[in-house]
Amino acid sequence: GENVEQHPSTLSVQEGDSAVIKCTYSDSASNYFPWYKQELGKGPQLIIDIRSNVGEKKDQRIAVTLNKTAKHFSLHITETQPEDSAVYFCAATSYSSYKLIFGSGTRLLVRP
Amino acid sequence: GAGVSQSPSNKVTEKGKDVELRCDPISGHTALYWYRQSLGQGLEFLIYFQGNSAPDKSGLPSDRFSAERTGGSVSTLTIQRTQQEDSAVYLCASSSQGQALHFGNGTRLTVT
Repeated sequence: GENVEQHPSTLSVQEGDSAVIKCTYSDSASNYFPWYKQELGKGPQLIIDIRSNVGEKKDQRIAVTLNKTAKHFSLHITETQPEDSAVYFCAATSYSSYKLIFGSGTRLLVRP
Repeated sequence: GAGVSQSPSNKVTEKGKDVELRCDPISGHTALYWYRQSLGQGLEFLIYFQGNSAPDKSGLPSDRFSAERTGGSVSTLTIQRTQQEDSAVYLCASSSQGQALHFGNGTRLTVT
């Protein structure tokens, strides 16, 4: 079955700097890759997703890139703000499946 | 509209007691998932319901865990004879088929 690895487990950046979180997946059939942000005491919230027919997607300060050959996908946050501090999870699944497999999470701290 | 609602938000129980956790999905969502999140860990898949199909119970950790979904809407996760290792946040999510998962804020279960 699918296995998703996520790095780093913790990331501390200065406000205004960029943050990058990387994930790898094992199942070449996976073709849907969402990213979730989880704030303390809340459930994960979808912030951006990418499907395998594109290599990059942007939404304001957030972008996701996908390298299907290498089975890598990454989340990029530019101009970080203190409110970006949270735990971020990557995930993967395929259209033929329904079981979203999550990475272990990255705790992002943005220092004012 | 209303999001995924879970109750109770917190539950403290004694070892050996049974507990029931409730999930109200987003109206019209045919898919419903339960995940477990242990302290500082990622999300572990437990069970999946899709319409009237047989549920995928492959993630349930033991036969003490069971879940049902009545009328294709509300779901209940039941843990019998709770153990301390069952302490975690139990997250419910729903989705329209093939679309992103929407999570509730979870039930924090503490077994003393």
